[in-house]
Amino acid sequence: SAVISQKPSRDICQRGTSLTIQCQVDSQVTMMFWYRQQPGQSLTLIATANQGSEATYESGFVIDKFPISRPNLTFSTLTVSNMSPEDSSIYLCSVLDGDGYTFGSGTRLTVV
Amino acid sequence: QKEVEQDPGPLSVPEGAIVSLNCTYSNSAFQYFMWYRQYSRKGPELLMYTYSSGNKEDGRFTAQVDKSSKYISLFIRDSQPSDSATYLCAMSRSEVIFGTGTRLQVFP
Repeated sequence: SAVISQKPSRDICQRGTSLTIQCQVDSQVTMMFWYRQQPGQSLTLIATANQGSEATYESGFVIDKFPISRPNLTFSTLTVSNMSPEDSSIYLCSVLDGDGYTFGSGTRLTVV
Repeated sequence: QKEVEQDPGPLSVPEGAIVSLNCTYSNSAFQYFMWYRQYSRKGPELLMYTYSSGNKEDGRFTAQVDKSSKYISLFIRDSQPSDSATYLCAMSRSEVIFGTGTRLQVFP
């Protein structure tokens, strides 16, 4: 299965600032997904990122808050903008390959 | 009602025990069923997947799907302390829906 390198692994940020999370995949993949995982809750899909087109956002998530880039078939970024404490969560990227969904190791974000 | 229901646990068992982890779902359109294991500070890792009703075995792990009851299970035989993790069920039609995860602790 694909190997995903996600960074940073964790960060503590001031409210009002922005953080960009990067995911690098070791193979070319058509679709990349960004999830949020909050304590006691299931993984929630934020958006699907396809190369060459705008990301598709799920209900409750908007591009101004979570802009996504997908410049090529092996890389994507998610930015969490104008952060508030409610954005404190784990953010995960994922790809769909022949073995199902593979996840990065996650970014643990704390907003203070 | 959530589409996928999973008991959050925690579930604490002694080493060597048989563990049963379960999920129920409401949408009969789900076709693809998965179990993920997530260690602390790591992303979910795919353990098993299946398309159909019945059992699928892989070493100490057995995945069971009962589509008529909308119920899936993961059995772990001879559980080990290294199995201590959160286990998430997931199922998909066009998109994938995750359970909330069950935290499992296996003590020596």
